[in-house]
Amino acid sequence: QVVLTQSPSASASLGASVKLTCTLNSGHSNYAIAWLQQKPEKGPHYLMKVNLDGSYSQGDGTPDRFTGSSSGPERYLTISSLQSEDEADYYCQTWGTGVHVFGGGTKLTVL
Amino acid sequence: QVHLVESGGGVVRPGGSLRLSCAASGFTFSSHGMHWVRQAPGKGLEWVAVIWYDGSNQYFGDSVKGRFTISRDDFMNTVYLQMDSLRVEDTAVYYCARDQGGDGHNPLDYWGQGTLVTVSS
Repeated sequence: QVVLTQSPSASASLGASVKLTCTLNSGHSNYAIAWLQQKPEKGPHYLMKVNLDGSYSQGDGTPDRFTGSSSGPERYLTISSLQSEDEADYYCQTWGTGVHVFGGGTKLTVL
Repeated sequence: QVHLVESGGGVVRPGGSLRLSCAASGFTFSSHGMHWVRQAPGKGLEWVAVIWYDGSNQYFGDSVKGRFTISRDDFMNTVYLQMDSLRVEDTAVYYCARDQGGDGHNPLDYWGQGTLVTVSS
């Protein structure tokens, strides 16, 4: 069974960059993942899909400041030029045959 | 543009039933798998169920297997979640989400705003 692990929290300053990590468990390191953003009291918003080779495809309306990358079992979401509205919960998600899995989420605070 | 609107949430007693609906618009509904995902108060996202674009396959999370069913009406562009034998731990906001493809093996690329289900005596 695939498991996704995320740090519970992260913080960075306004205008800086931050890199969030999603780690796939052993035996599943070749999986693609998706990144989602969720603001308080709102439904999640799809940001992008990140593949094993580090390529990524953004969803509709995802700003160019949001980029994806990959290294081994780790999938990354980098947010550049942080803005106050980027403060949110960020989830990674992956899928297999008949199952979808979410990471526990990372709460990003913009200082 | 893609729009998903959930309805049918409410308060129900343990052991009761509820049917959620998700009305879709802005895309070719019959070409996409559709999912339900839930989020308990203050918690993370939990995948609940998926139905393929043609209704040929449905899959469920372990915590709801045997109690929930998912169906779709391509004429009404609507996906349903029938929830039976409800438990207190089923209390959550339930989101409808679109599969980027047809077979459920893709990112969930559009989400609704959710409907709250509260199971309480």
